[in-house]
Amino acid sequence: AQSVTQLGSHVSVSEGALVLLRCNYSSSVPPYLFWYVQYPNQGLQLLLKYTSAATLVKGINGFEAEFKKSETSFHLTKPSAHMSDAAEYFCAVTSYSGGGADGLTFGKGTHLIIQP
Amino acid sequence: EPEVTQTPSHQVTQMGQEVILRCVPISNHLYFYWYRQILGQKVEFLVSFYNNEISEKSEIFDDQFSVERPDGSNFTLKIRSTKLEDSAMYFCATARRAGELFFGEGSRLTVL
Repeated sequence: AQSVTQLGSHVSVSEGALVLLRCNYSSSVPPYLFWYVQYPNQGLQLLLKYTSAATLVKGINGFEAEFKKSETSFHLTKPSAHMSDAAEYFCAVTSYSGGGADGLTFGKGTHLIIQP
Repeated sequence: EPEVTQTPSHQVTQMGQEVILRCVPISNHLYFYWYRQILGQKVEFLVSFYNNEISEKSEIFDDQFSVERPDGSNFTLKIRSTKLEDSAMYFCATARRAGELFFGEGSRLTVL
């Protein structure tokens, strides 16, 4: 079984400050890891993904995440927050079993608040 | 940019009624999924569908739920007899490769 834990249901940062959203995973097989963003009244948009290539992954909107196997973590960062980054962020895990249709297991989400 | 389209965006129904939620996937995608998000809670996996059959389903996906792709384009989720606790946002997702999901904007179901 797989699981994802996102520390902090709400994170507040000032505009221009570093954004750090934490994600720890549990998986008995090598994981694929994802960060999704959800803006109000919209669906989930893929920010970035880790699929066993480079451990530092760059995504859209200036976000990046680093896969650390020893820490079972996949934290999301952005050097300088913008007001437009305010949204709900979800970390998700799956495994590629070869069958190809494994569903994602999501964390509970972190609501990012940007203070002006 | 291709996108996953879901209809209706919002449906209100009486308890015990049947509901069908529809999804038009991105054209070259082969994997199809339904997720739901109860207000204030996390996104939960319901079911995955590949090669015209269910690949995986969660404990939530009981006999009240069914999925099909009747005409090779629309991917539907049917809830046979809705309960109050079925009220949620239902997201369709599709993928060309395993794990790389693209989500629709969701269908909000309100059961009264």
